Amino acid sequence: GDSVTQTEGQVALSEEDFLTIHCNYSASGYPALFWYVQYPGEGPQFLFRASRDKEKGSSRGFEATYDKGTTSFHLRKASVQESDSAVYYCALDIGNTGKLIFGLGTTLQVQP
Amino acid sequence: GGIITQTPKFLIGQEGQKLTLKCQQNFNHDTMYWYRQDSGKGLRLIYYSITENDLQKGDLSEGYDASREKKSSFSLTVTSAQKNEMAVFLCASSITGAQDTQYFGPGTRLLVL
Repeated sequence: GDSVTQTEGQVALSEEDFLTIHCNYSASGYPALFWYVQYPGEGPQFLFRASRDKEKGSSRGFEATYDKGTTSFHLRKASVQESDSAVYYCALDIGNTGKLIFGLGTTLQVQP
Repeated sequence: GGIITQTPKFLIGQEGQKLTLKCQQNFNHDTMYWYRQDSGKGLRLIYYSITENDLQKGDLSEGYDASREKKSSFSLTVTSAQKNEMAVFLCASSITGAQDTQYFGPGTRLLVL
């Protein structure tokens, strides 16, 4: 069945470090792929999405490129800030129906 | 802009009890969702509804009922709370469904004693 795998459960960085959170998916066709961010005590917030091979999504300095060949949608940011500390979720839209499958999430902790 | 309101914020129940969680949205969105969030397990879809009076089961529907009597509201019932259960229930909405952004509420935190 369709699935999303986030490799890192936790990532610890210092301010201005480069961030990569790995997301790989398993699904047929071209499912829409999403990144959401969740701050403590809140619900997840949409970051961005992509729905075609080689399409890049971006928001707030974060970006990811849809790669059908490697079935990946890795999240990157060139220079993280303490305020980026949160849980990041990769998700895919099953058959583009609106039903999302989420990865287990990656907790990012950025030290000042 | 709009907002999703979930009530209550915290819910403490007893084993075997029937518990109801409520969600309201003022986005005028067609589709609404209920997810369960457990520590270390991400978010899992319980029920969703594409329009008033419609209900569709997600992967985690067993043990839950849902109700969508109005476009703006979506309720979830835990039919029999399990002892020591602890989870966050998140409500979300989107304009239609496919590929749409989902907007989430702040969640209801459930603890069963």
